[in-house]
Amino acid sequence: NAGVMQNPRHLVRRRGQEARLRCSPMKGHSHVYWYRQLPEEGLKFMVYLQKENIIDESGMPKERFSAEFPKEGPSILRIQQVVRGDSAAYFCASSPSGAGEAFFGQGTRLTVV
Amino acid sequence: DAKTTQPPSMDCAEGRAANLPCNHSTISGNEYVYWYRQIHSQGPQYIIHGLKNNETNEMASLIITEDRKSSTLILPHATLRDTAVYYCIVRGQNSGGSNYKLTFGKGTLLTVNP
Repeated sequence: NAGVMQNPRHLVRRRGQEARLRCSPMKGHSHVYWYRQLPEEGLKFMVYLQKENIIDESGMPKERFSAEFPKEGPSILRIQQVVRGDSAAYFCASSPSGAGEAFFGQGTRLTVV
Repeated sequence: DAKTTQPPSMDCAEGRAANLPCNHSTISGNEYVYWYRQIHSQGPQYIIHGLKNNETNEMASLIITEDRKSSTLILPHATLRDTAVYYCIVRGQNSGGSNYKLTFGKGTLLTVNP
């Protein structure tokens, strides 16, 4: 049973480009959470999604960031017009429901140059 | 904001038990105590969780006080690979509210020494 898969593991983008981060939850999990960890800082909640629904996006920046979890395929975190301050590790977690343990992927490290 | 208080750092000798404390004096009756760890910028790893009874699994034991205002994570025989930041998190189980999220604080950096 594969764990939570995130790709790419490392992503380099120039300022102004778009970044797409993918998260494939564990088999049977329909709940996905995205977190961001800035260098030398803690993990910050961004968004919580169920299939085809955004449940809580209270941690998402108001502009340039969006997330989706379609009926088929992985969850996508999209960052438009990236800036240097977006450089961080982005982690995704999945769970079978809104309760119980959530399992994290190994993250995508975004570097904006 | 995190609802838990943990010491910023602890040391432990290899082979000894590591006891990591956590205070959560404002915990509600339907909130669980979760423990995760993060090894050197890897993805956080689930360790254990509990409501009011003590819990044990292959990784650790969780001891929750009777009043539920504090808990202790016990790694019975710490190894060098257990060096990590350990997070104690209070989490509700109702996705209809806002407290189902895992809210990470600063955690405790546990260093296991040879």
